[in-house]
Amino acid sequence: QKEVEQNSGPLSVPEGAIASLNCTYSDRGSQSFFWYRQYSGKSPELIMFIYSNGDKEDGRFTAQLNKASQYVSLLIRDSQPSDSATYLCAVGALSGGYQKVTFGTGTKLQVIP
Amino acid sequence: SQTIHQWPATLVQPVGSPLSLECTVEGTSNPNLYWYRQAAGRGLQLLFYSVGIGQISSEVPQNLSASRPQDRQFILSSKKLLLSDSGFYLCAWRGFQGRETQYFGPGTRLLVL
Repeated sequence: QKEVEQNSGPLSVPEGAIASLNCTYSDRGSQSFFWYRQYSGKSPELIMFIYSNGDKEDGRFTAQLNKASQYVSLLIRDSQPSDSATYLCAVGALSGGYQKVTFGTGTKLQVIP
Repeated sequence: SQTIHQWPATLVQPVGSPLSLECTVEGTSNPNLYWYRQAAGRGLQLLFYSVGIGQISSEVPQNLSASRPQDRQFILSSKKLLLSDSGFYLCAWRGFQGRETQYFGPGTRLLVL
């Protein structure tokens, strides 16, 4: 059973639109939530983290967390072709004295010019 | 600032050959370090983590081993590679953004033929 679920996509949005990426997780003890962006052939790059229920905004990115629903989302406003990448949702929980981070398999985003 | 290096960047090895991948971190001391593998079309799988010199924990039984000979050096090895060892190997270190956060190196792409 997967612990972090994401729709694999591809999610296609036109340039300038809002891209909405979603993620659910199974461990109710999870405390930290991350979004990574991974361009093809490259390593994941951390773009957002959120720890409390609600919204967190950073530039064109907004992360949303609902612990009751075990749901995390990432909104990208004014999507650009350079946003085309795979977005990995990651969830952290304490395990054996250290934070274990579990990754989803990612959602591929395509921004159409 | 902290920097993480991995080499080689790409590697093609025959089945049954040995393997040694290296990861080094600059700009921090006593980092927690992690080895992940990302197979084609699959999520990131945690292989090993290390909280200090000589301290290695394995997440899954496998054909690989890890060592931490120096504070900022983490090595992934195998005595005999299998076809299933092919993948994108990522080293990560633990940073801190209010909570523990993981940052990835550039990765090593391994193809076993």
